[in-house]
Amino acid sequence: SQKIEQNSEALNIQEGKTATLTCNYTNYSPAYLQWYRQDPGRGPVFLLLIRENEKEKRKERLKVTFDTTLKQSLFHITASQPADSATYLCALPDRGSTLGRLYFGRGTQLTVWP
Amino acid sequence: GAGVSQSPSNKVTEKGKDVELRCDPISGHTALYWYRQSLGQGLEFLIYFQGNSAPDKSGLPSDRFSAERTGGSVSTLTIQRTQQEDSAVYLCASSLTIYEQYFGPGTRLTVT
Repeated sequence: SQKIEQNSEALNIQEGKTATLTCNYTNYSPAYLQWYRQDPGRGPVFLLLIRENEKEKRKERLKVTFDTTLKQSLFHITASQPADSATYLCALPDRGSTLGRLYFGRGTQLTVWP
Repeated sequence: GAGVSQSPSNKVTEKGKDVELRCDPISGHTALYWYRQSLGQGLEFLIYFQGNSAPDKSGLPSDRFSAERTGGSVSTLTIQRTQQEDSAVYLCASSLTIYEQYFGPGTRLTVT
């Protein structure tokens, strides 16, 4: 199995600033790592995937890094907006697997205030 | 196109009753997953179906839980003799590739 820790259950930042969320895992290094966004009362929505041989991945205002030595991924939202307020989840697949179950962290609740 | 749909959206049941939760995945998606999310907890894997392969049931918490997927499409999660600790949001997801999973809105189950 895999233990995932997302530091900071809640993060509050001002609009325009960069939000940085952390995901740490403790056991094996996964083939990839994913980040999802979840709004209240809704299912998670996929944002980004980064593979173990990638250091960084970008999509619009989002940036994800993956450090297999530190067993850590950082998720950045630049020029944050109130609409970015949500819970962000990181997820990893099973050991040696690319399909199947994902292990999810508990998430970090981000609030961006005007 | 249509996303993953789940029904009912809310279900209140008495302790000891059986419940069935339904998931309609995205058409053509070969993989289907069930997770549950308790208040303040992360998503907990329950079961995974991939094509015609035997399902991965390793996450089912007890033998009161079962799931089937008919015709490689619709899936039903059944909880027998419900207990209060079964109260949670049950989420279904489907995928076509090794990458993102597409989640439905979930079924909120409350056992009284």
